[in-house]
Amino acid sequence: SQQGEEDPQALSIQEGENATMNCSYKTSINNLQWYRQNSGRGLVHLILIRSNEREKHSGRLRVTLDTSKKSSSLLITASRAADTASYFCATERTGANSKLTFGKGITLSVRP
Amino acid sequence: NAGVMQNPRHLVRRRGQEARLRCSPVKGHSHVYWYRQLPEEGLKFMVYLQKENIIDESGMPKERFSAEFPKEGPSILRIQQVVRGDSAAYFCASSPPPGNTGELFFGEGSRLTVL
Repeated sequence: SQQGEEDPQALSIQEGENATMNCSYKTSINNLQWYRQNSGRGLVHLILIRSNEREKHSGRLRVTLDTSKKSSSLLITASRAADTASYFCATERTGANSKLTFGKGITLSVRP
Repeated sequence: NAGVMQNPRHLVRRRGQEARLRCSPVKGHSHVYWYRQLPEEGLKFMVYLQKENIIDESGMPKERFSAEFPKEGPSILRIQQVVRGDSAAYFCASSPPPGNTGELFFGEGSRLTVL
């Protein structure tokens, strides 16, 4: 079964708006990561948050983690057309030795 | 610094043929992971290897699929007697030993089409 479930499945926003993407998971984790994938390309790591952290920032990215609800959110502020991509959350389960389990992804479209 | 290098980027095979996908990890990385991605799907874990050692192959189909990461040279994912359902993008990722940053570094993928 899928460990990470993202929602929404697809998101379309105007350039300059903020994009919020959510991820829920089922088991205890060491960390949760967000990756980006442009069409036809490989995945690029965006940000990692550990199980003992609640919030983390990196540039225009803000990620939160609520281990009691087993959920995370990724916020992209002041979106740009170049942010158009698929975004995946991935969890490293406790004891999984860096092996990541991915969700199905969110397709973000940013209209110029 | 070269990232993860995968080749071929695109591979076309007829049913029953063999497919070999190669992956060279980031220099200094000793851990390699293979994932499969179907259209509009997320990545499904296949296998996790260290040099000369398979750590976790829980995602590998029991038949026709094998993987290795020899002491010298790239990691190889081998699919024998391919079927149409094997058509997918296969991604390799590498990492330093566990206990480091935890992030995986992905290649651009090898896209297998089975006719």
